[in-house]
Amino acid sequence: IAGITQAPTSQILAAGRRMTLRCTQDMRHNAMYWYRQDLGLGLRLIHYSNTAGTTGKGEVPDGYSVSRANTDDFPLTLASAVPSQTSVYFCASSDSTSGSTSEQFFGPGTRLTVL
Amino acid sequence: GQNIDQPTEMTATEGAIVQINCTYQTSGFNGLFWYQQHAGEAPTFLSYNVLDGLEEKGRFSSFLSRSKGYSYLLLKELQMKDSASYLCAVMDSNYQLIWGAGTKLIIKP
Repeated sequence: IAGITQAPTSQILAAGRRMTLRCTQDMRHNAMYWYRQDLGLGLRLIHYSNTAGTTGKGEVPDGYSVSRANTDDFPLTLASAVPSQTSVYFCASSDSTSGSTSEQFFGPGTRLTVL
Repeated sequence: GQNIDQPTEMTATEGAIVQINCTYQTSGFNGLFWYQQHAGEAPTFLSYNVLDGLEEKGRFSSFLSRSKGYSYLLLKELQMKDSASYLCAVMDSNYQLIWGAGTKLIIKP
């Protein structure tokens, strides 16, 4: 593994189904993020984690949950998918702690369609 | 509220120079980032400014004026591979990135 990987690459999902998007990084970055990207809108933060064992809500957290059991993995779960969750989802990581700044590295994205 | 504004789309000619502007209003400021995103791909980091002035990196330069809430990305000697979206993002007082919608740059031969 080099950098950040996401799975699946794309998925078509029936409304009401549960879905987990996977994200793994091998850079030992402490901070990880989940964004959604919709046409005409900027990246919007769903959830983040500053370090393993902690998570926080971003701008659009409703309908999503995350966990951070270890440094490398940061899965995003849609408990009951709705069509408005159709989007491209990006996972990112950075080597930063609260109060510092550094660039974020992005995974290749998951294109999710909810019908 | 927090807001990042940048033009939706710009067109330029191969070999020319283009300037992409970004204005922002955020709760606090801990730096401004520019990212490049090719269609269907992930964003990749281009530059970071936290102090006023110009940062030059090869064909790309980024400028910041904190008093004006303004930044621009300058691309010189444009190449066809520079056709992409350019995303402006500001790190707010909570150290979270606030993203603009991106500027789609079209390069014509």
